[in-house]
Amino acid sequence: ELKVEQNPLFLSMQEGKNYTIYCNYSTTSDRLYWYRQDPGKSLESLFVLLSNGAVKQEGRLMASLDTKARLSTLHITAAVHDLSATYFCAVDGETSGSRLTFGEGTQLTVNP
Amino acid sequence: DVKVTQSSRYLVKRTGEKVFLECVQDMDHENMFWYRQDPGLGLRLIYFSYDVKMKEKGDIPEGYSVSREKKERFSLILESASTNQTSMYLCASSLTARDTQYFGPGTRLTVL
Repeated sequence: ELKVEQNPLFLSMQEGKNYTIYCNYSTTSDRLYWYRQDPGKSLESLFVLLSNGAVKQEGRLMASLDTKARLSTLHITAAVHDLSATYFCAVDGETSGSRLTFGEGTQLTVNP
Repeated sequence: DVKVTQSSRYLVKRTGEKVFLECVQDMDHENMFWYRQDPGLGLRLIYFSYDVKMKEKGDIPEGYSVSREKKERFSLILESASTNQTSMYLCASSLTARDTQYFGPGTRLTVL
């Protein structure tokens, strides 16, 4: 059974600081997604990482994938208040077809 | 842009009622999914469908059924609603099995 763990689950940080959210998964996968969810809203796709060593960047967010370590990171650079949201990683296990397994989510609060 | 719509944003039902949640996507996607989201548990897959009239159980199918009579529409049915089915229900669709899933706005269901 594929398990996906995120840490931290709660993150409170100041504007201008850097931080990293980690996503570990338990079985082989070559595809990992990051989503953002604002309070009361649905999930918005941020990144899809398709291979070992993949790196994607959008604004202050950068995601990377290490399939050998079964680890993805979401790095936040110089955080701003607008980044406050819950971030989910989701893994498509190689034998799971179209099924994604989601992490619990990391609730990020950026304080002015 | 992909658009996934859900029939209701908020729904209040009584225990034992039959509940229908409707989801429609406008991008000719093959795959459609129903998740429920609960605090501390992340998103859990209830059912998914990879073609018209086809369905597969997800991780928590008990107490639910689904219907997909047309490609663009995927319905989730609670045959006899119970209080432990109070949750946020999210529908998603993807073009093919391993493409990014796009989510609808969600239906917050309360069962009294």
